[in-house]
Formats: sequence, C-alpha cells, structure tokens
Amino acid sequence: NAGVTQTPKFQVLKTGQSMTLQCAQDMNHEYMSWYRQDPGMGLRLIHYSVGAGITDQGEVPNGYNVSRSTTEDFPLRLLSAAPSQTSVYFCASSRVVGDTQYFGPGTRLTVL
Amino acid sequence: SQQGEEDPQALSIQEGENATMNCSYKTSINNLQWYRQNSGRGLVHLILIRSNEREKHSGRLRVTLDTSKKSSSLLITASRAADTASYFCATDGYSTLTFGKGTMLLVSP
Repeated sequence: NAGVTQTPKFQVLKTGQSMTLQCAQDMNHEYMSWYRQDPGMGLRLIHYSVGAGITDQGEVPNGYNVSRSTTEDFPLRLLSAAPSQTSVYFCASSRVVGDTQYFGPGTRLTVL
Repeated sequence: SQQGEEDPQALSIQEGENATMNCSYKTSINNLQWYRQNSGRGLVHLILIRSNEREKHSGRLRVTLDTSKKSSSLLITASRAADTASYFCATDGYSTLTFGKGTMLLVSP
C-alpha cells in the first residue's frame, strides 16, 4: 500500500493564480481531510469528507474548494492564490472520523 | 478554534530522561489521540485513548486521560535523540478531528 500520497511536494504560485493540490489514498478510507500548518498555529482543518460525494467545511475554508468524486481522491483547489495561503498543506485519511489518521507527506506552497 | 492545547510549548531534555507533555481540551470527546511530527514531515499516529480508558501504554509511551479535568498527558520514558520531534494531541468532534498547536521536544545526546 502506498498509503496517502500528495502531489506536488513543492509549489510556487503568483498571487491570483489557481491550482489543485492532489491527494489520494489506497486504504479504502471513507474519511479524508485537508489541513494547513503554519508556524505557531498547529494544524487547522480546511475541508473534510466523510465519503464520496460528501464534503464539508472546516475551520479555515475560505479560498479553497474540494470535491470527492471517488473514495480514493480528494483534491484541494485554490481558486485565486493569496500570500496568506503560503503554508504547508497536509492531506489525511482514516476509516472513520475518530479513527487513526494517516497523513500524506505534505505540499509546501509559497504564494508570491 | 482549537480544541486541544499542549503544554509546554517546548521541552528540552537529555537522553535517558523522561519527557512529559500535557493536553487540555474544552468539550466532551469520544477519544483522544497523540501524534508525532518530525521536522518537515507528515504526522504519525502514536496512540489513541478512548474516553472510557484512563491509561494506555505502547512501548516507551504512556498516555493518561482524565475526562473530569479534560486533560491528557503523554509520557515518553528513557528518551532518545530520535524522539526529537513535535507532539500533537487531537480530539474528535462531531465530524472533525481537532489538533492542538503541539509541544516541540528536543532530546540532546
């Protein structure tokens, strides 16, 4: 099993550009989530999904969109990048919400 | 807002010493989890303790949970340089898992 994979590992964007961060898992997990990690702030939940076709907002959803068309994939879209979105983004999955979370390696995003 | 808050924010010890970090939370939980993050990497699950459990062990890790005080502690015994990392507690809500800001542990040889 590859576990949770994320692409790209690094990305530099200019303000106003859009992009999609990819996340995939091969563990048949129903629950998937996106976090951003900023220095001194810990992990903050952006969006989550409890199953294919079902998504919901977390603590900091503004400026991001998600979709969940399959169990395996949970892409995160930045609609119009802003410098405040410079962060490290982690995708995670678990069987159900309160279960052990498996994290991807992260995407380090810089917005100029 | 963050549910769990770790204390201390940073901890520096020598190899062989024990490390204790604490987590406090605000609302009722079903379970509480501890994770470790090595610099620049994803989080790795360490241990999960359910609300009806008071103590749990895994190797050199000991976790306690006091639901009346809404707090948990993580004890790492006989620490090693390889234990240097950030440690986070996470609590489950209705449909989300909420992480604290973490404790940075530095273990010096």
